[in-house]
Amino acid sequence: KAGVTQTPRYLIKTRGQQVTLSCSPISGHRSVSWYQQTPGQGLQFLFEYFSETQRNKGNFPGRFSGRQFSNSRSEMNVSTLELGDSALYLCASSLGLAATTDTQYFGPGTRLTVL
Amino acid sequence: KQEVTQIPAALSVPEGENLVLNCSFTDSAIYNLQWFRQDPGKGLTSLLLIQSSQREQTSGRLNASLDKSSGRSTLYIAASQPGDSATYLCACISSGSARQLTFGSGTQLTVLP
Repeated sequence: KAGVTQTPRYLIKTRGQQVTLSCSPISGHRSVSWYQQTPGQGLQFLFEYFSETQRNKGNFPGRFSGRQFSNSRSEMNVSTLELGDSALYLCASSLGLAATTDTQYFGPGTRLTVL
Repeated sequence: KQEVTQIPAALSVPEGENLVLNCSFTDSAIYNLQWFRQDPGKGLTSLLLIQSSQREQTSGRLNASLDKSSGRSTLYIAASQPGDSATYLCACISSGSARQLTFGSGTQLTVLP
């Protein structure tokens, strides 16, 4: 079974631009979550989508948005990029059913650098 | 608000040693706790998931325990190998936070040959 895939793996953008990251979950998984990882803040939760609906949201500004398609693939968009948005963005997929047993599987991440 | 702490931040041991990594959390109302490993510049690999009703889980040389009442989990690694060198992260899903994983800052493990 193929794992979680993320594209692109690396991105370099300049301040003020916008960026779209993509995540393809494990086949059969309906939940996709996004996390931001930085050296200073560690891993922080952005949002979670389940069956094309945002089910949970972390404490990030509105510049961070996402969506999920009918095939469970998800995209994350960041508008008006700031230097502080430089990070490793990870997505995780899971079945999305019982929270108690729901193992989350992570992709390799997209490394975003904002200049 | 759930807070997860991992101590120590870094650990170096000789090959073959058994070791324990510690994780503590402030809110005992959790659905589960997961242990992950992260290699430099890579994503996270899920190692073990312990449900809130369980006390421990085992996979090969790894054993994770959970004590909700004291807000602690430990990851025991037996007969460590250089290939075990990585950052180990624990994370939990709290009952009040839907499906959001709250992570600790990790323990960077180095196993010396």
